[in-house]
Amino acid sequence: NAGVTQTPKFQVLKTGQSMTLQCAQDMNHEYMSWYRQDPGMGLRLIHYSVGAGITDQGEVPNGYNVSRSTTEDFPLRLLSAAPSQTSVYFCASTARNGVAEQYFGPGTRLTVT
Amino acid sequence: GDSVTQMEGPVTLSEEAFLTINCTYTATGYPSLFWYVQYPGEGLQLLLKATKADDKGSNKGFEATYRKETTSFHLEKGSVQVSDSAVYFCALSVAGANSKLTFGKGITLSVRP
Repeated sequence: NAGVTQTPKFQVLKTGQSMTLQCAQDMNHEYMSWYRQDPGMGLRLIHYSVGAGITDQGEVPNGYNVSRSTTEDFPLRLLSAAPSQTSVYFCASTARNGVAEQYFGPGTRLTVT
Repeated sequence: GDSVTQMEGPVTLSEEAFLTINCTYTATGYPSLFWYVQYPGEGLQLLLKATKADDKGSNKGFEATYRKETTSFHLEKGSVQVSDSAVYFCALSVAGANSKLTFGKGITLSVRP
């Protein structure tokens, strides 16, 4: 049982490049989310999904795209990277609404130059 | 909207000192409350939680009590260790909110030997 896995761990992009951050979970969780962590800002929700085929925007969705074709995978796409997207990105999953613990991946540190 | 306010940091303590980290919240619904911990270079992991008023969450010597009257969920530990050095996040989730977590900004705790 690997929990929540994320790849890559580190990435450097040039402004305007695109890339996909991968996230997978093997706990059969319905709910998955993407957060970004910035100094002094805590974690902010980018996008989330309540099940395969269903996604919705969080607090800071601009510049990011998601899809959820399977229960296990929830990739985050940066369409045209900008320096403001330099951050640490965390994927999380949880079994049910509200009360259950969210399980976080180890994070991807992204730098956009 | 929902929000979480944590005391300003960072906090530096000597080993075996008493720890209090303040957390207050505002929520439109009836929230569940969480403390997450992030050790250096890692993702977040749940430290403790409370789902209703007057509940006390506890784990690894840490405790927090859900106080509805003061909308607070302060984290305490009687005797901190060097291994407790980490970033601590207070968070809430409102039932029916699709497991979305709202985080405070986090506070860095450093414990000196």
